[in-house]
Amino acid sequence: GNSVTQMEGPVTLSEEAFLTINCTYTATGYPSLFWYVQYPGEGLQLLLKATKADDKGSNKGFEATYRKETTSFHLEKGSVQVSDSAVYFCALSDPSGNYQLIWGAGTKLIIKP
Amino acid sequence: DSGVTQTPKHLITATGQRVTLRCSPRSGDLSVYWYQQSLDQGLQFLIQYYNGEERAKGNILERFSAQQFPDLHSELNLSSLELGDSALYFCASSKTGGDTEAFFGQGTRLTVV
Repeated sequence: GNSVTQMEGPVTLSEEAFLTINCTYTATGYPSLFWYVQYPGEGLQLLLKATKADDKGSNKGFEATYRKETTSFHLEKGSVQVSDSAVYFCALSDPSGNYQLIWGAGTKLIIKP
Repeated sequence: DSGVTQTPKHLITATGQRVTLRCSPRSGDLSVYWYQQSLDQGLQFLIQYYNGEERAKGNILERFSAQQFPDLHSELNLSSLELGDSALYFCASSKTGGDTEAFFGQGTRLTVV
């Protein structure tokens, strides 16, 4: 079945450090891939997405590339800020699975000044 | 503001009771999703409705039920509440299915005492 695996958190970094949060997936079809972010006390919001292989999603300095060969969609940012502290969720939507969103467990990111 | 409205924001109730959570999706969105987020279980998909019809079911307990009304708002009914049902309940909406961006409400925090 479809599944998403994210690296466990929390991930703690200093401000201006390079960020990578790993996400790998298993899907039967050709899924779209998403990163959502949840800031403290808020609901989830879409950070970026990619709908086909080799697509790169980007937003707010974050990037992720849809790698079909490694079934991965790792989230990266070159220089993190304290305001990036949040929980990040990787998700997929598989058309062969009725487009239901399948979620990773979430990775808590803590950025220290 | 995502455009998805959830009420109430907070709810405290006793074990054995029944509560109803309400969600108004973004204008024009036909799909509504319900999620439960607890500290130990992460983000759990409960159920999805599309244009009034149930489309997908996740880890929803038999004590829980939901429906989507003709005006597309949705209600999640939780009955015979247990302490373990204490969690954040999120509603999300999207235009069609999961392949498009889902917009999340702020959530309802349910505390069962």
